[in-house]
Amino acid sequence: DAKTTQPPSMDCAEGRAANLPCNHSTISGNEYVYWYRQIHSQGPQYIIHGLKNNETNEMASLIITEDRKSSTLILPHATLRDTAVYYCIVRSPRQAGTALIFGKGTTLSVSS
Amino acid sequence: EAGVAQSPRYKIIEKRQSVAFWCNPISGHATLYWYQQILGQGPKLLIQFQNNGVVDDSQLPKDRFSAERLKGVDSTLKIQPAKLEDSAVYLCASSPTLDTQYFGPGTRLTVL
Repeated sequence: DAKTTQPPSMDCAEGRAANLPCNHSTISGNEYVYWYRQIHSQGPQYIIHGLKNNETNEMASLIITEDRKSSTLILPHATLRDTAVYYCIVRSPRQAGTALIFGKGTTLSVSS
Repeated sequence: EAGVAQSPRYKIIEKRQSVAFWCNPISGHATLYWYQQILGQGPKLLIQFQNNGVVDDSQLPKDRFSAERLKGVDSTLKIQPAKLEDSAVYLCASSPTLDTQYFGPGTRLTVL
């Protein structure tokens, strides 16, 4: 299973775009990139996932490089409520229905 | 749609005492997970149920931890006797399919 590398922390000004990187250089062809976040005193929350095309939903955009070795989660207009730990997780279809494997993630701090 | 419910939200006990946590998953979700999250780390799976059957309990310390999911709905996780190292947040998650997991707010356990 591919491992991920994320910076331990990042800062962002309120209203600006937050770009959270994730390195997954050993990702295989059928593995998806998932993003979850965990706001303080809450459980993790699903954000978005993708295979190779860029994805966008109401929460964020996911940009995956052409070689799929890295990706970026983009929060277009960060607010104070986006302060959280963000986890990048790589999963294959055969892992569907199994537990998520979390690393330490990136702590994003959004300030006014 | 109501989310995953957990109770209590906080619990403080002495070591060697017993404690139980309760989880009510989202209605209709067949898969239920219990995760343990130690401070500063990502959540780690303790046990996974599919309906009322155990799918994965390989990381559950069975000498002191037990869990059940009667009738394939609610679930309880018990620790007896508790140790200092059991201090953590216990998260319950449920899933309707083989993909996205929905987490409850967690129970923060402090063992003194």
